[in-house]
Amino acid sequence: GAGVSQSPRYKVAKRGQDVALRCDPISGHVSLFWYQQALGQGPEFLTYFQNEAQLDKSGLPSDRFFAERPEGSVSTLKIQRTQQEDSAVYLCASSLVVRTASGANVLTFGAGSRLTVL
Amino acid sequence: GQQLNQSPQSMFIQEGEDVSMNCTSSSIFNTWLWYKQEPGEGPVLLIALYKAGELTSNGRLTAQFGITRKDSFLNISASIPSDVGIYFCAGNYGQNFVFGPGTRLSVLP
Repeated sequence: GAGVSQSPRYKVAKRGQDVALRCDPISGHVSLFWYQQALGQGPEFLTYFQNEAQLDKSGLPSDRFFAERPEGSVSTLKIQRTQQEDSAVYLCASSLVVRTASGANVLTFGAGSRLTVL
Repeated sequence: GQQLNQSPQSMFIQEGEDVSMNCTSSSIFNTWLWYKQEPGEGPVLLIALYKAGELTSNGRLTAQFGITRKDSFLNISASIPSDVGIYFCAGNYGQNFVFGPGTRLSVLP
């Protein structure tokens, strides 16, 4: 597609519910990143995929967070047993490649999925 | 871990004024990116910097990659109301990008 598409844009969950957030990256983009952005803060890294391989998940805050990209395009971020501290905007970004001769390639972000846990 | 600091945290300026903000780190980065985020939207790339000392312009925006590779600045000339938003710097390390906490810009008519 023309841009990075995320759904749903808004999600309200009761504490303890499971949620799934979807990211459709730009067609052909190899790298996909998930970031968490709390209110008034900068994006914080969660996890990174190159094609279908999850190369870094060091930013996932707990084992309730799980991400997958089984066919190397669409990715899903799943949060089990949501807690109030999970309330944030979840941003997905994609990149054509990670490194080029001139340096790292840039990230193109989606509009984000705003999760509110009551 | 990697951490970026941005200053100022927020600024209020008159339309037409020039703006300067910066980003510093105790770590060396290979790439600096500047993004702008408006309410309800994801960050949008403004400028990418790839070499120490590089100075790059995009319209009224100018950004520089610091010689020490530990800092970068962004200047906006002749600000207009649509410049309102939060400006984030991001540094690349390894295969990842770390973001600063942002500078919130308000433009008064």
